[in-house]
Amino acid sequence: AQRVTQPEKLLSVFKGAPVELKCNYSYSGSPELFWYVQYSRQRLQLLLRHISRESIKGFTADLNKGETSFHLKKPFAQEEDSAMYYCALAGGTSYGKLTFGQGTILTVHP
Amino acid sequence: DSGVTQTPKHLITATGQRVTLRCSPRSGDLSVYWYQQSLDQGLQFLIQYYNGEERAKGNILERFSAQQFPDLHSELNLSSLELGDSALYFCASSPENSDPYNEQFFGPGTRLTVL
Repeated sequence: AQRVTQPEKLLSVFKGAPVELKCNYSYSGSPELFWYVQYSRQRLQLLLRHISRESIKGFTADLNKGETSFHLKKPFAQEEDSAMYYCALAGGTSYGKLTFGQGTILTVHP
Repeated sequence: DSGVTQTPKHLITATGQRVTLRCSPRSGDLSVYWYQQSLDQGLQFLIQYYNGEERAKGNILERFSAQQFPDLHSELNLSSLELGDSALYFCASSPENSDPYNEQFFGPGTRLTVL
């Protein structure tokens, strides 16, 4: 079975501070991992995916297969980063099916 | 709006009733996914359709069913409703079925309240 764990329900940082949202997964095969974000009054949307190896809005995430983690990082948080962040995993024969973590609410204080 | 649309936005009904949630995917997207978001279970995958055919099933109750029509819109039918079915139901679409890296585009959700 595949599982995604986001250990922090809430995370608060001050503007300009580094931020790391943790994500651990359990999956026997080779997973595809994503971070989705939901800003206030907006739809859930893709932030980044590990296969792209890109930085979006200053965020990066590295897949660590040894630690089965896919933590989301940003060196200098901005107030507009405040949102709900979901880590998600796709894999197996059910292409497209996303298994989501419980989500982390990030609040960036001025 | 060329994005994913869902109707209705809100639905309040009583236990034992049946409701239908509707989703229209983005233009050109062939895959439709349904997710349920509840306070205790988080965001859970229910079912996926691709070009009219069921392709993947998740934790979907037998009281729930879905279909995708020739015009690619999808409906999620929930019957014999229970209090625990109260949740936000999201629909998402993506252009292809075979690529697991494809971004899913989410609709605004339908909030179902069962009284």
